[in-house]
Amino acid sequence: DAGVTQSPTHLIKTRGQQVTLRCSPKSGHDTVSWYQQALGQGPQFIFQYYEEEERQRGNFPDRFSGHQFPNYSSELNVNALLLGDSALYLCASSPRGVNEKLFFGSGTQLSVL
Amino acid sequence: DAKTTQPPSMDCAEGRAANLPCNHSTISGNEYVYWYRQIHSQGPQYIIHGLKNNETNEMASLIITEDRKSSTLILPHATLRDTAVYYCIVRVGGGVETSGSRLTFGEGTQLTVNP
Repeated sequence: DAGVTQSPTHLIKTRGQQVTLRCSPKSGHDTVSWYQQALGQGPQFIFQYYEEEERQRGNFPDRFSGHQFPNYSSELNVNALLLGDSALYLCASSPRGVNEKLFFGSGTQLSVL
Repeated sequence: DAKTTQPPSMDCAEGRAANLPCNHSTISGNEYVYWYRQIHSQGPQYIIHGLKNNETNEMASLIITEDRKSSTLILPHATLRDTAVYYCIVRVGGGVETSGSRLTFGEGTQLTVNP
């Protein structure tokens, strides 16, 4: 049983560009959330999706947007990249009715130059 | 979600018990205590959670004080593979509709298990 898978594992972009990160949840999970982890800090919640809609959002600007597909996979889009967007982006999944433990992927390391 | 306080780092000898403390003095009655850990270059991993009773699973034990203002995560026989950052998180329990997927991570405790 595959866990949460994220792609790509590493990505390098330049300021002003746009980036799309992808996540496939663990089998049987329909809820996906995204986190940003800057170096040396704990992960910060970006937003959560279920039933293909954004349900909760953290304190992130509108440059951060997402999408969830009918197969429950998800994308995180970041527009107009800033140097400060350099971070590890983590995807987590859970079944909606049982939210007691989130399963995290290994993340996408984004570097903005 | 209630704020938590953890020591920034701890050391433990391999084979000994690792006791990681967490203070959460502003915890509300409907908030659970969760523990996650993050091994280098990996995503966080769920360890255990509890409301007010002590809990044990195959990974660890969670001891919550009677007033619920603090807790301790116990790894009974620490191994080198337990070296990680351990996060104590307090949040409302329940399904996604009630509590969402938001976990508020602090900076955690860097546990180093030494041979």
